[in-house]
Amino acid sequence: DAGVIQSPRHEVTEMGQEVTLRCKPISGHNSLFWYRQTMMRGLELLIYFNNNVPIDDSGMPEDRFSAKMPNASFSTLKIQPSEPRDSAVYFCASSWETGDTEAFFGQGTRLTVV
Amino acid sequence: GENVEQHPSTLSVQEGDSAVIKCTYSDSASNYFPWYKQELGKRPQLIIDIRSNVGEKKDQRIAVTLNKTAKHFSLHITETQPEDSAVYFCAASGGGSNYKLTFGKGTLLTVNP
Repeated sequence: DAGVIQSPRHEVTEMGQEVTLRCKPISGHNSLFWYRQTMMRGLELLIYFNNNVPIDDSGMPEDRFSAKMPNASFSTLKIQPSEPRDSAVYFCASSWETGDTEAFFGQGTRLTVV
Repeated sequence: GENVEQHPSTLSVQEGDSAVIKCTYSDSASNYFPWYKQELGKRPQLIIDIRSNVGEKKDQRIAVTLNKTAKHFSLHITETQPEDSAVYFCAASGGGSNYKLTFGKGTLLTVNP
């Protein structure tokens, strides 16, 4: 398996534009997590899915952020409209079970909003 | 929800010395405690984990200890090498209905040759 695949690797966009980040989890994993990493706040869990169902989205910063998982092999994180303070590295991770097994991270998407 | 505190935020050691990073957690129901290593510009990767039914686990130069009563766990790296330089994150999850993997803020470890 190629591991968790995220795209794009880098994204530079202007304030106000819509941004969509994509993630393909490891085949067979039934849990998927979206994290945001910044120097100030570290690794923050934004939302996680179990069997394609959003379980906890309490980490989503505001209504500008939304996430979907239409099937077991694909998830998106959308920011609309984007703001400079959204600049961060966004990681997707997946695991076999929720909570007590290794989470495998993708390579991340570095988002810069100017 | 779970809160994970990690100390120190930075740690500098000489090659060959030991390094210890400590974490505390708040949810007594948490039962899974992984440690991740993140090299500059790369993704976090699991280096060792421990579950609540054991108190210590070793893997070559790396060991983790868990004290459930005190709700703290620690990472120990012996005979440090320059390639151990990275950011290390502790995490906790699995408590009750809270299955979030909550991370500490990370420790920047620098091993000086």
